[in-house]
Amino acid sequence: AQTVTQSQPEMSVQEAETVTLSCTYDTSESDYYLFWYKQPPSRQMILVIRQEAYKQQNATENRFSVNFQKAAKSFSLKISDSQLGDAAMYFCAYRAGYALNFGKGTSLLVTP
Amino acid sequence: DAGVIQSPRHEVTEMGQEVTLRCKPISGHDYLFWYRQTMMRGLELLIYFNNNVPIDDSGMPEDRFSAKMPNASFSTLKIQPSEPRDSAVYFCASSIAGGSLEQFFGPGTRLTVL
Repeated sequence: AQTVTQSQPEMSVQEAETVTLSCTYDTSESDYYLFWYKQPPSRQMILVIRQEAYKQQNATENRFSVNFQKAAKSFSLKISDSQLGDAAMYFCAYRAGYALNFGKGTSLLVTP
Repeated sequence: DAGVIQSPRHEVTEMGQEVTLRCKPISGHDYLFWYRQTMMRGLELLIYFNNNVPIDDSGMPEDRFSAKMPNASFSTLKIQPSEPRDSAVYFCASSIAGGSLEQFFGPGTRLTVL
């Protein structure tokens, strides 16, 4: 079974600074999708960014970007110009077939 | 679009009682997923449907759990009888075939079994 590992249970960043959240995964597939979801205290799961494995270019969505290293099976999320509203749990997910396999999450604290 | 709708948002029940969680997917979506989130196990898939047909229920913990999708706009997850270890947040998500199969999540139901 595919596994997703987020090695940082908690991270902290100052407002306006940059932070990188790590994610590694295990798979034997060559074509797949990776996602980062944000879960604020409201518990709503919000898609932040997605990456298609066959695309070498790293995905970017405004202040959010990824560093996708397919050979290393690494998929990190970079948040630039951090804002107080970025404080949340962040989950990395791998799409296996039709369902998602999630990591255990990283709790991001943003300090003023 | 209203997004994925789940009800109730919170449910508190006593051990042994039957619990029914409800979900209305986004109109036009043909995949529906039920996930459970706990501190110990994180987010895990319970079951998913395609065109109202259950495709993979290998994540359903035991026979006390059952899920149905009688039509394209409604699904239920039932626990009978409930146990304290079933306490969790239950999410419903839906997606449409093709592409990345991005899943849109509902707000979740927080279930507490006393």
